[in-house]
Amino acid sequence: EVQVLESGGGLVQPGGSVRLSCAASGFTFGSYGMGWVRQAPGEGLEWVSGISGNGISTWYADSVKGRFSISRDNSKNTLYLQMNSLRAEDTAVYYCAKTGTGWTFDSWGQGTLVTVSS
Amino acid sequence: DIQMTQSPSSVSASVGDRVTITCRASQGISTWLAWYQHKPRKAPKLLIYTASSLQSGVPSRFSGSGSGTDFTLTISSLQPEDFATYYCQQLNSFPLTFGGGTKVEIK
Repeated sequence: EVQVLESGGGLVQPGGSVRLSCAASGFTFGSYGMGWVRQAPGEGLEWVSGISGNGISTWYADSVKGRFSISRDNSKNTLYLQMNSLRAEDTAVYYCAKTGTGWTFDSWGQGTLVTVSS
Repeated sequence: DIQMTQSPSSVSASVGDRVTITCRASQGISTWLAWYQHKPRKAPKLLIYTASSLQSGVPSRFSGSGSGTDFTLTISSLQPEDFATYYCQQLNSFPLTFGGGTKVEIK
């Protein structure tokens, strides 16, 4: 069974940093692109970042470019999102997701909440 | 960037009703479109990929159609477990983008 499980969320001050992790199991991790999608309170889904299966190619939403960094460790079946220079508007539930056909997301975690507040 | 516009933003319907949600892309995306169902405090669930392909395990009352810029998600006979928010997503090019969502509520 495919599973992805996020961790690392919490309360962080504006301007601070946090690293999210996503532990994957039940599939050949390095064969699939992975992504992060977030949902701010009362808002819809927003794609944040994606990474290819081999980790060589990465992509970011304009709203996080230059502040967030996606990476993966295929030996540990783990995806990461390093979030720096955090702003109040980054407050959201962050979901880790596995790609299916193309950049469709066919398996999602339960999400981890990041709250940016002083 | 490709903008995705969903309509309506909300719909009230009864069990057994046919519900149709539309999604329009700001430029042509062929059939590179997916539909998701999202319930509060749950993981989003993939329903349809490449515009009309039903994801494994998803009931056949869900169907998708369209290509280019105009797409439709149809629920043929609404069931109690279908009350949720539905999103389209274009996967034609980065940055990937979602529609604003359509909330399906109980009438």
